[in-house]
Amino acid sequence: NAGVTQTPKFQVLKTGQSMTLQCAQDMNHNSMYWYRQDPGMGLRLIYYSASEGTTDKGEVPNGYNVSRLNKREFSLRLESAAPSQTSVYFCASVQGAGPETQYFGPGTRLLVL
Amino acid sequence: GENVEQHPSTLSVQEGDSAVIKCTYSDSASNYFPWYKQELGKGPQLIIDIRSNVGEKKDQRIAVTLNKTAKHFSLHITETQPEDSAVYFCAASPGSARQLTFGSGTQLTVLP
Repeated sequence: NAGVTQTPKFQVLKTGQSMTLQCAQDMNHNSMYWYRQDPGMGLRLIYYSASEGTTDKGEVPNGYNVSRLNKREFSLRLESAAPSQTSVYFCASVQGAGPETQYFGPGTRLLVL
Repeated sequence: GENVEQHPSTLSVQEGDSAVIKCTYSDSASNYFPWYKQELGKGPQLIIDIRSNVGEKKDQRIAVTLNKTAKHFSLHITETQPEDSAVYFCAASPGSARQLTFGSGTQLTVLP
């Protein structure tokens, strides 16, 4: 099993450009999450999906959209990137509805110029 | 919502010494407290967790203690080794929630 995979690993964008971060898990987990990690601020929840077809806002959803494409895949979209969205983005999944062990992907490092 | 504070932000210890990282939380409904370890360039990985019906849990060199009255919990690492060097995050979650609130992280450096 690959666990949780994320693409791309690294991306540079110009202000105003759009992009989609991809996440997939092969553990048949129900819940999936998107976090951003900034220095000194830990991990902050952007959006989560408790099950296929449902999504909910987390702590910092502004400027982002998500799609739970199917049980395996959960994508994060930046429609118009801003320098404040420079961060490392992590996807995670949980087998049930939580709180349980979250399994994290390797992260996507995003730089917005 | 829940607020988790973590201290210290950086910690250096000599190899073989013990390390302690402390967290406090604000929501008395929280009843699940995991600790994650993040190595450089990788995603966080669960190392130990505790639920509010127990006060202490051990796994080899790692232990977590919980004081629900004071709303704080701590990670204890004994006989530290260079491979323990990493960023450690605490987190808290109310049982009914599907979310974790993370602390700001502690960079632990074990000096040989």
